[in-house]
Amino acid sequence: GQNIDQPTEMTATEGAIVQINCTYQTSGFNGLFWYQQHAGEAPTFLSYNVLDGLEEKGRFSSFLSRSKGYSYLLLKELQMKDSASYLCAVKDSNYQLIWGAGTKLIIKP
Amino acid sequence: GAVVSQHPSRVICKSGTSVKIECRSLDFQATTMFWYRQFPKQSLMLMATSNEGSKATYEQGVEKDKFLINHASLTLSTLTVTSAHPEDSSFYICSAPQGDGSPLHFGNGTRLTVT
Repeated sequence: GQNIDQPTEMTATEGAIVQINCTYQTSGFNGLFWYQQHAGEAPTFLSYNVLDGLEEKGRFSSFLSRSKGYSYLLLKELQMKDSASYLCAVKDSNYQLIWGAGTKLIIKP
Repeated sequence: GAVVSQHPSRVICKSGTSVKIECRSLDFQATTMFWYRQFPKQSLMLMATSNEGSKATYEQGVEKDKFLINHASLTLSTLTVTSAHPEDSSFYICSAPQGDGSPLHFGNGTRLTVT
């Protein structure tokens, strides 16, 4: 079956750095997405990786290793507004999006 | 700005009534739109894939006669929850890809409460 694993919850301190990991086992691979979702709101797109390596976008970076079926989202200089759920999603060989359950990130002052 | 518009954002209805939710793609055509449901503290669950000009594809366990989907044009898909019950109370979100390989753009979601 297809599976995406990410930690259920993480806690970090304002101003610090946090890395949220995602491992996947899917039938084929056509890209990996990270989304941010605040409570009660729809997800918003953060990043997209289809080739191995690091994609940097301001305070957020996303890394992909296709051979390891592994990605991480790195958040730097954490702000209180970064408290949210972070969803990892993979497009399989049929271009269907497979969603992880999300990681709830709690930022403490 | 928002590329997918979803309406209404909140709706409260009585048991047994039907509710229609609209999802529009702005400034692009979407031959495919996706409808998700999300219960509190749970992840997104794909309900169905809406296909312009043809029947929607429903995920296993989703009743097609209860959740009617109509994708009448390249910019509009509607989800109608028929004969709503309190257990249908949830957050419904639509999304559409702007093109191959592009990320999904989500509507702002509809909070449905059935009393």
